[in-house]
Amino acid sequence: SQTIHQWPATLVQPVGSPLSLECTVEGTSNPNLYWYRQAAGRGLQLLFYSVGIGQISSEVPQNLSASRPQDRQFILSSKKLLLSDSGFYLCAWSNQEGMGPQHFGDGTRLSIL
Amino acid sequence: GQQLNQSPQSMFIQEGEDVSMNCTSSSIFNTWLWYKQEPGEGPVLLIALYKAGELTSNGRLTAQFGITRKDSFLNISASIPSDVGIYFCAGQADGGSQGNLIFGKGTKLSVKP
Repeated sequence: SQTIHQWPATLVQPVGSPLSLECTVEGTSNPNLYWYRQAAGRGLQLLFYSVGIGQISSEVPQNLSASRPQDRQFILSSKKLLLSDSGFYLCAWSNQEGMGPQHFGDGTRLSIL
Repeated sequence: GQQLNQSPQSMFIQEGEDVSMNCTSSSIFNTWLWYKQEPGEGPVLLIALYKAGELTSNGRLTAQFGITRKDSFLNISASIPSDVGIYFCAGQADGGSQGNLIFGKGTKLSVKP
């Protein structure tokens, strides 16, 4: 069966520091991968999606970037974090055709001080 | 752009009561999904609907894909304390392999024992 892993579960970072959040999927090949941000426990905002290695689409202009160095690995990064980057970050996968449900990881709670 | 209106925003009910929530869209979707999110975790898929008029159950949960393809309903019968959480609807339209979902803002359910 397919599983999705995100780490770390929680992260506290100072303003201006770099960020790297990692997401990996097991049990499937060539999935679509997604990064979401959720503020205050409500509403999911799609940040990035990827349909293949090295293919990244950005949905909103922002301070973050994403990369997909391997088929089942998706990384969310920032060179310099802002206070407004605080939130709950969720990674998700769906089948390679992109039709059907997305399945989410357990998220990373990011707090910027 | 496409938007989903999910209602109610929150519900406070007594254990044993039935619950109804719904989502409406300004445009047509070909897939409707219902997720539940508990605090500190990622959303978990409850029910997926793929055909207009489809009625699908998962235990005490029943969801329907509206005939117009612009709405969907989720009912929970005989609620129990572990039903507490935020319920999200999500719609998916055809077109493209990216599989992007449009999410409602969620219905926060509280169950009093």
